[in-house]
Amino acid sequence: EPEVTQTPSHQVTQMGQEVILRCVPISNHLYFYWYRQILGQKVEFLVSFYNNEISEKSEIFDDQFSVERPDGSNFTLKIRSTKLEDSAMYFCARGIPGQGYGYTFGSGTRLTVV
Amino acid sequence: GQSLEQPSEVTAVEGAIVQINCTYQTSGFYGLSWYQQHDGGAPTFLSYNALDGLEETGRFSSFLSRSDSYGYLLLQELQMKDSASYFCAEDRGSTLGRLYFGRGTQLTVWP
Repeated sequence: EPEVTQTPSHQVTQMGQEVILRCVPISNHLYFYWYRQILGQKVEFLVSFYNNEISEKSEIFDDQFSVERPDGSNFTLKIRSTKLEDSAMYFCARGIPGQGYGYTFGSGTRLTVV
Repeated sequence: GQSLEQPSEVTAVEGAIVQINCTYQTSGFYGLSWYQQHDGGAPTFLSYNALDGLEETGRFSSFLSRSDSYGYLLLQELQMKDSASYFCAEDRGSTLGRLYFGRGTQLTVWP
């Protein structure tokens, strides 16, 4: 049973549309993360979320992005107006910083912007 | 900026041993972890080093030398299923767990 479930597994959207990617981390962890991976490239950090607040965001995470934990369990990443370059795999992850336990990544959502 | 260097690809035969090296930036370094990723899949945690030395987990081991800003992942008794991308990832204590990933090493295991 996956510890971090993401939906949808694949989403195709038109440029300029809003998308919401969902993550359900099965645990009581406080630290959650969103990463993305453009095809064939490295995994890139987007944002970290601690105790229901953004604790850090990268330069990629601009005003078009937002994260929420609307009901205390689901964890969402919203892209307000998608661009072609937003096409990527988006992974949510949970983990405990610096504890050596590693981060558990969800199965990912493949976002294709056309 | 941040920079982790690892080879882009490595090939080996079944049963062999392979070592994937990673050099990292020293500023704020806290620990180095390794992830495996099969095509289309999620990164899967393999190992983590915060202190110098060798960590062994079954067929996989990871090594860290802080003085050399260097680590490696050692894969023994290679199997076909080990063909995947392997990423080293650095975390820095000041960044609440943000991971900086290398570009990945594509390992191909031949029969």
